[in-house]
Amino acid sequence: QKEVEQDPGPLSVPEGAIVSLNCTYSNSAFQYFMWYRQYSRKGPELLMYTYSSGNKEDGRFTAQVDKSSKYISLFIRDSQPSDSATYLCAMSANRDDKIIFGKGTRLHILP
Amino acid sequence: GAVVSQHPSWVICKSGTSVKIECRSLDFQATTMFWYRQFPKQSLMLMATSNEGSKATYEQGVEKDKFLINHASLTLSTLTVTSAHPEDSSFYICSAGRGLAGEIGELFFGEGSRLTVL
Repeated sequence: QKEVEQDPGPLSVPEGAIVSLNCTYSNSAFQYFMWYRQYSRKGPELLMYTYSSGNKEDGRFTAQVDKSSKYISLFIRDSQPSDSATYLCAMSANRDDKIIFGKGTRLHILP
Repeated sequence: GAVVSQHPSWVICKSGTSVKIECRSLDFQATTMFWYRQFPKQSLMLMATSNEGSKATYEQGVEKDKFLINHASLTLSTLTVTSAHPEDSSFYICSAGRGLAGEIGELFFGEGSRLTVL
């Protein structure tokens, strides 16, 4: 079993819809959970990160972590065509520990 | 966020030649830089961690003699792919840590360098 599992998609949704992206993981030591956005042929950029379980909201983005289920989610409200990108989940055990990335989910927002 | 620049962004070379990729932190000093490799539709795989002034730490399975990493200053790290072969064709991405040891939230990625070996 891989440490981090993420459905590669592609996921296509109409503009304005709520998008749900998810990852599961196997290492219970992970405490820091991150979501990166990567546009085609570009490097990843950090969207948000959370520590331990709970929710975190930033504008149209909400990150959720359920450590008991080893499951994390990223919700995008009022999705826009500019949100079309690959979204990678990532996690680590400690603040300065090695980061393990998921494969990324390709998201297409249809105008 | 802070800016990390990679050069070249795209390179094609013949099999057997060596290719050097540069990673620069433009507006901050990075004591730690990381090199990743990303194959199509795959996740970023950490190749090595580079600390300024010391030898890089390579991940298991990464050949240190093939992927030479130099971190000579606080703003520049280089990755040299020696004797490149077609299987080395990939997207190479660096990241630089503005905080201590690349703390989450203080880690910034370059634009990536796409290497194609013919």
